[in-house]
Amino acid sequence: DTGVSQNPRHKITKRGQNVTFRCDPISEHNRLYWYRQTLGQGPEFLTYFQNEAQLEKSRLLSDRFSAERPKGSFSTLEIQRTEQGDSAMYLCASSLGGIETQYFGPGTRLLVL
Amino acid sequence: TQLLEQSPQFLSIQEGENLTVYCNSSSVFSSLQWYRQEPGEGPVLLVTVVTGGEVKKLKRLTFQFGDARKDSSLHITAAQPGDTGLYLCAPFSGNTGKLIFGQGTTLQVKP
Repeated sequence: DTGVSQNPRHKITKRGQNVTFRCDPISEHNRLYWYRQTLGQGPEFLTYFQNEAQLEKSRLLSDRFSAERPKGSFSTLEIQRTEQGDSAMYLCASSLGGIETQYFGPGTRLLVL
Repeated sequence: TQLLEQSPQFLSIQEGENLTVYCNSSSVFSSLQWYRQEPGEGPVLLVTVVTGGEVKKLKRLTFQFGDARKDSSLHITAAQPGDTGLYLCAPFSGNTGKLIFGQGTTLQVKP
């Protein structure tokens, strides 16, 4: 299966700890998006990359959040000093370009205790 | 800022019933996408509607884009338990590609 993969699938951490999630997009997809989804809500856009360049960041992405895509392939999303309000599903999606269909990964579910 | 409203927020029906869910906005969309998300998974694209008044069918699902391109509906005929999930609509911007989702309609189809 060459779909979008995300690791880990689940993460439980204590408040104040740092966490890092990884997204492996579909091969050759140059666009990569991160979204956050809380229970009963639709996903909210966080940021996106065109190859290795981060082109837009939502105001939802506080200073504690950082995303990278160093070689234009996989991406990481790091949350520093986690807070209980960070508990959510973090979704990654990729596409061939801006006008192309986005394919979502299964998400990483984060629980901050 | 574009305000997108989906209704109803939650729907629980018996297998075999028909249903319609709605996606409304005060803004005009250039195009709109519908997704279904099953528990523990990411959303999966169902359809993209582009032209005002357009109707698209996907087996038992019928999607309609409003004439003014401000609203859309999804009708499911003879719902099945496999239709259970979160139905999301999102205007599609070809410039950035980023999706701004509505809050979704959670559908539960009981056998």
